[in-house]
Amino acid sequence: SQTIHQWPATLVQPVGSPLSLECTVEGTSNPNLYWYRQAAGRGLQLLFYSVGIGQISSEVPQNLSASRPQDRQFILSSKKLLLSDSGFYLCAWSLKGQRPTNEKLFFGSGTQLSVL
Amino acid sequence: GEDVEQSLFLSVREGDSSVINCTYTDSSSTYLYWYKQEPGAGLQLLTYIFSNMDMKQDQRLTVLLNKKDKHLSLRIADTQTGDSAIYFCAESPNTGNQFYFGTGTSLTVIP
Repeated sequence: SQTIHQWPATLVQPVGSPLSLECTVEGTSNPNLYWYRQAAGRGLQLLFYSVGIGQISSEVPQNLSASRPQDRQFILSSKKLLLSDSGFYLCAWSLKGQRPTNEKLFFGSGTQLSVL
Repeated sequence: GEDVEQSLFLSVREGDSSVINCTYTDSSSTYLYWYKQEPGAGLQLLTYIFSNMDMKQDQRLTVLLNKKDKHLSLRIADTQTGDSAIYFCAESPNTGNQFYFGTGTSLTVIP
């Protein structure tokens, strides 16, 4: 069965420090991968998605970046964190293939990031 | 991204029905979803509906879709305290791999 791992679960970082959040998927190959952010009191915002190794689509301009160095690994990074980067970050994956059977997102357990 | 709107809060008494509403803007959306998020956790898919359907029922859950008004609703029958969570509506456009989520509705079930 497929599983998704996301770490760390919580992170406290000072303003201006770098960030690296990692997400890996097991039990499937060539998934679509996603990074979402859930800010306090707000909805779920799509940050990046990837359909393959090295292929990253950005949904919103910001100081975050994403990379996909391996098929089942998705990394969210920042060179210098801002206060506004605080939030709950969720990684997710979906299968590729003919719609509609693969049109579901499966989420990781999230990383609570506090930038102080 | 696309705009997906939901009311932020809903309170119901245990045993009553809950109705959570959602509006979306992308007329090309082919798939619409309801996800549940329990405190401090990721999201779990509850149910989904295709745009060529008006209604889908799955045990206590009923999804209604009004394509003309771009309105989606989730009805939970016989709401239980375990149903307390945040419920997200989401859409996936026909032309891409993205999934766009609403703001989430926090459902509180009062015993």
